[in-house]
Amino acid sequence: AQKVTQAQTEISVVEKEDVTLDCVYETRDTTYYLFWYKQPPSGELVFLIRRNSFDEQNEISGRYSWNFQKSTSSFNFTITASQVVDSAVYFCALSAGYSGGYQKVTFGTGTKLQVIP
Amino acid sequence: EPEVTQTPSHQVTQMGQEVILRCVPISNHLYFYWYRQILGQKVEFLVSFYNNEISEKSEIFDDQFSVERPDGSNFTLKIRSTKLEDSAMYFCASSVSINTEAFFGQGTRLTVV
Repeated sequence: AQKVTQAQTEISVVEKEDVTLDCVYETRDTTYYLFWYKQPPSGELVFLIRRNSFDEQNEISGRYSWNFQKSTSSFNFTITASQVVDSAVYFCALSAGYSGGYQKVTFGTGTKLQVIP
Repeated sequence: EPEVTQTPSHQVTQMGQEVILRCVPISNHLYFYWYRQILGQKVEFLVSFYNNEISEKSEIFDDQFSVERPDGSNFTLKIRSTKLEDSAMYFCASSVSINTEAFFGQGTRLTVV
């Protein structure tokens, strides 16, 4: 079974503050992929990043960075110098267990981030 | 940039009616998916589709639901005899292969009254 836990339901920060969104996952598979998606108030799902289980290098993309630690089964997401446009619900997700050519993404419950101007 | 397109963006239907949600996946993608998100809740997997057949489905995807790729471009989700609890945002997604990310459409908000 796969499970993704995002313990933070809602976070509020003041603009320009850094914020880290936590994600803990569970899977018995040794091969898996982790994702972050952003869902702005308009409702669409915007892909942010995908990491596979064999690549533990941290990644930075502009103001976004991700910290993947297999030892703690965590894949945390940090936004530096937050902006109002970052206000959204952020979902961490997991895909594991490939058999016969199918894929199923398990989403966490999401963290709602509010950036206050 | 290629994108997944869903129509309509919002559909209102009466309980008991059948609805068809339509999706045009990205053209070179081979795997297609439907997910749903009940308002304020997490996104849930419904079904994946490859090579003109269902690859996997969740426990949510019961006999009330069906999927079809009627032609070379469309991918549809049919809900027979809708219930109030079917009200949700339905997302279509597609991917090149099983181990690449799925790109999501804008979603169709289904309201059952």
